[in-house]
Amino acid sequence: DSGVTQTPKHLITATGQRVTLRCSPRSGDLSVYWYQQSLDQGLQFLIQYYNGEERAKGNILERFSAQQFPDLHSELNLSSLELGDSALYFCASSTGRYGYGYTFGSGTRLTVV
Amino acid sequence: EDQVTQSPEALRLQEGESSSLNCSYTVSGLRGLFWYRQDPGKGPEFLFTLYSAGEEKEKERLKATLTKKESFLHITAPKPEDSATYLCAVQHQPQGGSEKLVFGKGTKLTVNP
Repeated sequence: DSGVTQTPKHLITATGQRVTLRCSPRSGDLSVYWYQQSLDQGLQFLIQYYNGEERAKGNILERFSAQQFPDLHSELNLSSLELGDSALYFCASSTGRYGYGYTFGSGTRLTVV
Repeated sequence: EDQVTQSPEALRLQEGESSSLNCSYTVSGLRGLFWYRQDPGKGPEFLFTLYSAGEEKEKERLKATLTKKESFLHITAPKPEDSATYLCAVQHQPQGGSEKLVFGKGTKLTVNP
């Protein structure tokens, strides 16, 4: 157990739908990162939050959004889902503002049918 | 464009047959290079961080080294349980930009008994 908790572990939904993925960071970590991993693209950075504020943005689609709450857990919202959004979504956390020593969760596998 | 390239894409070894995995990078403002191990369907597990050229880190059968342009992950006398995908990631801050962690696509290692 890495200390980073992601729920749900699996999600199957239809095209056009909206889903929310949840991440609880390791105790004491202030930064949360979201990554998408598909077979052909590898791990792609989506977005980072530090202590409730957006810190950095990667290749995140406009249909996707995220937030970090006062208790430091984070949610990734994916809307108007397409088949190509099927992937593993990972959350990672780290102690500082800069991401040394990322700890990853076990991921949410999203399947869009 | 910032790039992290891992080679080979896949590697099959016999138990006890030592080898090396390569990670080459072209980024500006390198802050650190990370190696992770990822088992199927699971999140990446942190192995090493290297910060400067010439640095080496060891853990059991694994040894990571860093030069100015690339890193090697040496695997000595591997065992079947070393089978996994090994990911390299580079943390850097381009001039005028925000800090990023960029992953390579990984090397899938299979160790046969």
